[in-house]
Amino acid sequence: RKEVEQDPGPFNVPEGATVAFNCTYSNSASQSFFWYRQDCRKEPKLLMSVYSSGNEDGRFTAQLNRASQYISLLIRDSKLSDSATYLCVALDQAGTALIFGKGTTLSVSS
Amino acid sequence: NAGVMQNPRHLVRRRGQEARLRCSPMKGHSHVYWYRQLPEEGLKFMVYLQKENIIDESGMPKERFSAEFPKEGPSILRIQQVVRGDSAAYFCASSPDQSSYNEQFFGPGTRLTVL
Repeated sequence: RKEVEQDPGPFNVPEGATVAFNCTYSNSASQSFFWYRQDCRKEPKLLMSVYSSGNEDGRFTAQLNRASQYISLLIRDSKLSDSATYLCVALDQAGTALIFGKGTTLSVSS
Repeated sequence: NAGVMQNPRHLVRRRGQEARLRCSPMKGHSHVYWYRQLPEEGLKFMVYLQKENIIDESGMPKERFSAEFPKEGPSILRIQQVVRGDSAAYFCASSPDQSSYNEQFFGPGTRLTVL
């Protein structure tokens, strides 16, 4: 399976900051994309799906650029509770397996 | 509605022993996926099963690993003759249908340590 790549970070930001994560994927046939959040030693949990038109959920905005095979996540007004690892994920061509990036670590401090 | 359940949560085995990891999907879910997360690595797909069928095992190591999802009971991931390199977190996920448009819900994982 092709890869999903993302900057591992860590990103260290103060509360209230805006932070952006980027991700690239290599399989142009991938149809669905997601951002998952994983807290230390916990299971990944879906944060949001990513659509070509861009989508927003509260302080979180996700964007997909199919032409450049690029995905982004923007977090506004960072909270301490946002500290976690953010996983960029593509659904494989068969629509079966999730292909995970290694994750970007975010640490929000007061 | 209980989420995906995995047990044991922690498993310690010596080299050469067998490890059996169990996963009970969410109620109403008939699709199960196993993923492995090695230390400092991303999650990697291992196998996709429906009841009594292995649909995609392209991520499974060729030897020592097997998976099943019987008609009754949990899905089992079995690792024979474990080696230190098998030490990892093994996550199970389930979905109500093939995951083209459905979220995969993850269990808490089983952390396998091979001594």
